[in-house]
Amino acid sequence: DGGITQSPKYLFRKEGQNVTLSCEQNLNHDAMYWYRQDPGQGLRLIYYSQIVNDFQKGDIAEGYSVSREKKESFPLTVTSAQKNPTAFYLCASSIRRVTDTQYFGPGTRLTVL
Amino acid sequence: GNSVTQMEGPVTLSEEAFLTINCTYTATGYPSLFWYVQYPGEGLQLLLKATKADDKGSNKGFEATYRKETTSFHLEKGSVQVSDSAVYFCALENRDDKIIFGKGTRLHILP
Repeated sequence: DGGITQSPKYLFRKEGQNVTLSCEQNLNHDAMYWYRQDPGQGLRLIYYSQIVNDFQKGDIAEGYSVSREKKESFPLTVTSAQKNPTAFYLCASSIRRVTDTQYFGPGTRLTVL
Repeated sequence: GNSVTQMEGPVTLSEEAFLTINCTYTATGYPSLFWYVQYPGEGLQLLLKATKADDKGSNKGFEATYRKETTSFHLEKGSVQVSDSAVYFCALENRDDKIIFGKGTRLHILP
């Protein structure tokens, strides 16, 4: 079965701690994305990567970091510098371009206490 | 930059009713347009898309037509089912090769 997996589904952290969200895809897609979803605000792009070892900031990159050491993996770290980290985080991938169909993972709901 | 505006929800309909969810856009040129759907507890899925003016995207009984003259891409379905209950996002291709998503419209279908 091809697809995108995100883990864990729910994550709780104390304020001031860094936390890393996992995203893995076995679709052989070049491009991967991280979005943040807040109630009433739709999706906002955090970071994206179109090729291994390269990534670009999206619209709300402050307080986040990513790596793309392998084609199939694109982990997101939410750092203590992120002022309001509680949100639903969605990972996606596409064959190559952002306008190719994006396939989304099931999401991780992060709650910072 | 480009932007997309969709009707606020929630939208509540009875089963078999006709559905329209409005989406209008502001864009330079002719960006690709998309509708994505998010079922409860899941990520988004592409529902349909259109890449040029007058194109009609369709899938699962849903349709949307790329209207250049009204800068719209309204989502329609002739007879909705309870299983269509979800959040629907209109989206467009931005000039910097990113996707811009609308804020989403929550749809409730009552049996």
